[in-house]
Amino acid sequence: EAGVAQSPRYKIIEKRQSVAFWCNPISGHATLYWYQQILGQGPKLLIQFQNNGVVDDSQLPKDRFSAERLKGVDSTLKIQPAKLEDSAVYLCASSLVHNEQFFGPGTRLTVL
Amino acid sequence: ILNVEQSPQSLHVQEGDSTNFTCSFPSSNFYALHWYRWETAKSPEALFVMTLNGDEKKKGRISATLNTKEGYSYLYIKGSQPEDSATYLCAFKDTGNQFYFGTGTSLTVIP
Repeated sequence: EAGVAQSPRYKIIEKRQSVAFWCNPISGHATLYWYQQILGQGPKLLIQFQNNGVVDDSQLPKDRFSAERLKGVDSTLKIQPAKLEDSAVYLCASSLVHNEQFFGPGTRLTVL
Repeated sequence: ILNVEQSPQSLHVQEGDSTNFTCSFPSSNFYALHWYRWETAKSPEALFVMTLNGDEKKKGRISATLNTKEGYSYLYIKGSQPEDSATYLCAFKDTGNQFYFGTGTSLTVIP
């Protein structure tokens, strides 16, 4: 079974630039999560999708972050414009409705 | 936002030693407790999903216990090997299906 795919694996940008990350979940997994993990902290949930609907985006900084999951499969997370404090690993995970999460390898973002 | 704490933050042990870490979480609105192992440059890998008070789970040399009434879980590694070196994350899932992660315990096993 193929795992959760994410791209790119690494990204370096300057502050005020825009960036987008892509996630392809495990086939058949209805729930998709985006996490932000800042160095020294635990992963923080940014947004949770159930199929193509948003279940929880309470911790998503909506002034600069956006995410979509068109057709309930792939998802993209965008930051526009990026700030220095956005430097982190962005993890995507998927699960069957309320079960164990399977994580992708993450995208490491560095904002200079 | 709930507080999930893990201790110690980091740990160095000799190959062959046994070790254990703690995950503390709120004792109310408990649904499940997840343990993950996260090796550098790889995806976090699920170790255990624990739901019942008193649960004990085992996978090879790794085991975990759960006390939902007092809000803690222990992860044990028996006879640590260099390949056990990783960050061990716990995640508390509440009755609203929200996940809250701890900051992890970084384990280094010295050959």
